[in-house]
Amino acid sequence: NAGVTQTPKFQVLKTGQSMTLQCAQDMNHEYMSWYRQDPGMGLRLIHYSVGAGITDQGEVPNGYNVSRSTTEDFPLRLLSAAPSQTSVYFCASSETGGGSTEAFFGQGTRLTVV
Amino acid sequence: DQQVKQNSPSLSVQEGRISILNCDYTNSMFDYFLWYKKYPAEGPTFLISISSIKDKNEDGRFTVFLNKSAKHLSLHIVPSQPGDSAVYFCAASPFLTNAGKSTFGDGTTLTVKP
Repeated sequence: NAGVTQTPKFQVLKTGQSMTLQCAQDMNHEYMSWYRQDPGMGLRLIHYSVGAGITDQGEVPNGYNVSRSTTEDFPLRLLSAAPSQTSVYFCASSETGGGSTEAFFGQGTRLTVV
Repeated sequence: DQQVKQNSPSLSVQEGRISILNCDYTNSMFDYFLWYKKYPAEGPTFLISISSIKDKNEDGRFTVFLNKSAKHLSLHIVPSQPGDSAVYFCAASPFLTNAGKSTFGDGTTLTVKP
């Protein structure tokens, strides 16, 4: 099993450009989420999805869009990149249900906005 | 206001000794706690978890202790090995909330010296 796969691993954008970070999982998990990690800080939740067709905002959603058309895929779209969005982005998936399940993370996408 | 705090950005221990990583939280609704380990250029990987109905959970060399009255948890690694050198994140989620929607601390970088 590949687990959670993120592409690309690295990306440099110019201010104002848009792009989509891809995330795919092969564990048939219903729950998927996007986090960003800034230097010296923990992971902050951007958006999450409890299943295909259902998404919701996390702690820092501004400037990002998501959609969930399939169980496997959960792309994150940057609408108009800003230098403040320079960060490492992690996608995660976990089994459905409340409370006690672990999240499985992808390797991350390191994004630089110049 | 940061709800999950790891007040020690770094910790250095000798191989074979005990490593103790600490985490404090402020949100009384947090019911489930996880520790993740992260190597450079990789995503976080789940290490161990504990529910609020327990005060201790053990898995091999790793033990997590929870003190609900103090809103404090700690991760003990005994004996520490050089391969344990990584960033450790404490994460928390409220009752019946999926682990993919956790609140993370800023992490503690553990260095285990041979």
